[in-house]
Amino acid sequence: AQSVTQPDIHITVSEGASLELRCNYSYGATPYLFWYVQSPGQGLQLLLKYFSGDTLVQGIKGFEAEFKRSQSSFNLRKPSVHWSDAAEYFCAVGAYSGGGADGLTFGKGTHLIIQP
Amino acid sequence: DTAVSQTPKYLVTQMGNDKSIKCEQNLGHDTMYWYKQDSKKFLKIMFSYNNKELIINETVPNRFSPKSPDKAHLNLHINSLELGDSAVYFCASSQDSSGNTIYFGEGSWLTVV
Repeated sequence: AQSVTQPDIHITVSEGASLELRCNYSYGATPYLFWYVQSPGQGLQLLLKYFSGDTLVQGIKGFEAEFKRSQSSFNLRKPSVHWSDAAEYFCAVGAYSGGGADGLTFGKGTHLIIQP
Repeated sequence: DTAVSQTPKYLVTQMGNDKSIKCEQNLGHDTMYWYKQDSKKFLKIMFSYNNKELIINETVPNRFSPKSPDKAHLNLHINSLELGDSAVYFCASSQDSSGNTIYFGEGSWLTVV
């Protein structure tokens, strides 16, 4: 069975500073990897995804993530955070098998706090 | 137009009641899901349907029953509500089951009192 670990429950970053959110996954085959963001009281918005190809993927709002198979990681980065980036961030792995919709397995989330 | 829409967004109800949450997607997707987010914000899949057919049924009490009248709709019925059912329920959809992106609705905040 697949699993996702986000080791940081909370991260505090100053506005304008760089950001890296960690994500490690466990899956027996090539994973489909996603980052979603959830603002307070809101739904889940897809930031970016990795299916195959270039291991550095660009997403919305200036985010990027790098897939490193050797480390089983898919860390999310942003060079300069804005106060509006304060939210909950979820890493997820998709385990798709032929003929079945297995859905996503989520990490427990990282709560990002932006300080002025 | 909202791609995946679910109603109601907020629902407060008493223990023992029966309630439903409706979900519709206008993306033409074949696969729809229900996820539950608990008070610690942990997200877990409950059900998935592919072309109106139940594919995944995780360990969920049988008080929860999904119903898919057509592939654009997946409603969630909950009978005999309990305090522990309080959570945010997310509907989602994907093109099919072969690795496409899952798009989420905005969530339904259920509070059982």
